This record gives sequence, structure tokens and C-alpha cells, in this order.
Amino acid sequence: AQKITQTQPGMFVQEKEAVTLDCTYDTSDQSYGLFWYKQPSSGEMIFLIYQGSYDEQNATEGRYSLNFQKARKSANLVISASQLGDSAMYFCASERGSQGNLIFGKGTKLSVKP
Amino acid sequence: NAGVMQNPRHLVRRRGQEARLRCSPMKGHSHVYWYRQLPEEGLKFMVYLQKENIIDESGMPKERFSAEFPKEGPSILRIQQVVRGDSAAYFCASSPLGGRALRTDTQYFGPGTRLTVL
Repeated sequence: AQKITQTQPGMFVQEKEAVTLDCTYDTSDQSYGLFWYKQPSSGEMIFLIYQGSYDEQNATEGRYSLNFQKARKSANLVISASQLGDSAMYFCASERGSQGNLIFGKGTKLSVKP
Repeated sequence: NAGVMQNPRHLVRRRGQEARLRCSPMKGHSHVYWYRQLPEEGLKFMVYLQKENIIDESGMPKERFSAEFPKEGPSILRIQQVVRGDSAAYFCASSPLGGRALRTDTQYFGPGTRLTVL
């Protein structure tokens, strides 16, 4: 069965510093996608970044980058130059099978300190 | 291009009542997914629909829950005879193609409906 593990329930980072949020996944699929979403206190789910299993390069989207290590089955999110507005819950997710529905981890609560 | 719309944003029901949650996908998207988020938890998949078809309902509770996505109008998640354990945030996501996710087929989420059962 597919499973996403986020081992950090909460993280603190100083404003303007970089932070890495961990995510490991378990899948038997040969081809798969990995996602990160941000959920601020207002509750909406905001898509951040996507990594395909056959993408040769790590995905980047502005201040977000994904450190994809296929052999280790890890897809860590790196946020550079943290801002106060980055304080939120962050969820890692993978797609399940051929239907495309997502399996989510339990999330990491990031707090950015001024 | 308007995003995924859900209404109501907040819904309060008493035990035993019915709850109807609506989701209008992004323009051009014909695939809808419903997820439930219990407090302090990640999202859990419930059901995947295309227009007029339920493709995968493996995450739906067997009783009291149903979903539809008619040819015209929004997708509806219906919960009959609600209980306190149904209190959660219910999210709808849409994608243009469904199936194997691609970079261009990312699921975009609505703002969610927060259901509170008294």
C-alpha cells in the first residue's frame, strides 16, 4: 500500500533562513508523482511543487525546491529565504495508482520566527 | 480563470440531519476528487468522479455518504443522518485529465467546507 511519512510534526525556522521539510514515500509503482501543498491557518490547500518520478532534475518553483532522492524514496521540500507568511502546515502527497487521487502525509507545521 | 469553488464554506448541522456540500471545478476540468480532513490530520481521499460517473469510491464510508457529478451543475457530496464524527473539513479538487498525474494535471483544491455537527 502507498504511504507518505512526514516525521517532523513541527519545525521552527528563523526568518530569511532556509528550511527542509522531510518526506519519505512508499510505492510499488514504476511511475509516480509527488506533490507538496501548503495549508495556512485560513485552511485552503495551496499547490506548491510537483516532481515526477522520471524527471531527471529536481523540481523548483521560486523559493521552493524539491530534493528528490529516488533510491531513498525521499522528496524533501526546501524553502529558501523563509518569510513570515511561510508559517503554515505543509503536506507531502503522492498519487495512488492510475486514478490520480492523492495520498497525504500527516503534515509538518512550520513556524517562521522574526 | 476562477478556481475551484466550494459552498458553503461553513456548515452546521445537528445530529441526524443531512449535509450537502457543493463543488464547482475549475473551468475546463472534468475530474473531481473529494477529500476529508479530520482535525490535526492530513487529507484522506473519499471519491473520484467524472461527469455522470463515479470512477473510484474506495475511500467513501459504506453508509450515509454519497457523491454525484451531474452533466450540468456542481458535484455534490451528500451525508445523510450526520453524526459528530462527521465533523471535518471537506475538500474538493479538480483536474483537467484525471488518471496519472502529470505536471499539467495537478489537482487544484477548493477552499473547503467546514462541517460541524452539534
